Amino acid sequence: AQSVTQPDIHITVSEGASLELRCNYSYGATPYLFWYVQSPGQGLQLLLKYFSGDTLVQGIKGFEAEFKRSQSSFNLRKPSVHWSDAAEYFCAVMNYGGSQGNLIFGKGTKLSVKP
Amino acid sequence: NAGVTQTPKFQVLKTGQSMTLQCAQDMNHNSMYWYRQDPGMGLRLIYYSASEGTTDKGEVPNGYNVSRLNKREFSLRLESAAPSQTSVYFCASSQGYVGTSGNTIYFGEGSWLTVV
Repeated sequence: AQSVTQPDIHITVSEGASLELRCNYSYGATPYLFWYVQSPGQGLQLLLKYFSGDTLVQGIKGFEAEFKRSQSSFNLRKPSVHWSDAAEYFCAVMNYGGSQGNLIFGKGTKLSVKP
Repeated sequence: NAGVTQTPKFQVLKTGQSMTLQCAQDMNHNSMYWYRQDPGMGLRLIYYSASEGTTDKGEVPNGYNVSRLNKREFSLRLESAAPSQTSVYFCASSQGYVGTSGNTIYFGEGSWLTVV
């Protein structure tokens, strides 16, 4: 069965610093991968997704993610963090073995941004 | 841009009470979903509806029922609420099968439910 691991529960970075949020998945074939962001009290917003093709995926708000099959990873990056990026970030993988549309979510990484 | 709209946003229930969470989408999507989010657990699928007229269980369906009223609306019902159902509930929708290039799930803003 597929699974998603986000090793970091909470990360704090300074405004203007670079950011990398880690995501590891478990799946034998090429997975469909997603990153969502959730601001406090809000729903989840799709940042980017990977289905196939170019392994470096560009998303909204200046985020990008790189799919690395050899490392089973799909890490999210941003070169310069803004205070408004403070939120919780969820990595997800499409679950092929379960019900349709069943995304398996990681437990999330909460990002705090220092002034 | 309304997208996916859920009501109510906040609700407090007593154990044993019933209630229905309403969800509507205006994107003409075929598939709709109900998730719950608990601290440290990510999101888990409760029920989904692949298309109008069909519903199926997800990962954690016990204690819930759903109705796909029409293409736009998908409601979630708690018949006899329990404290374990205290959670944040998210409705979501997608054009079709998630996994087909271009099809992704869009989420509502959530409904905070507390059962005391």
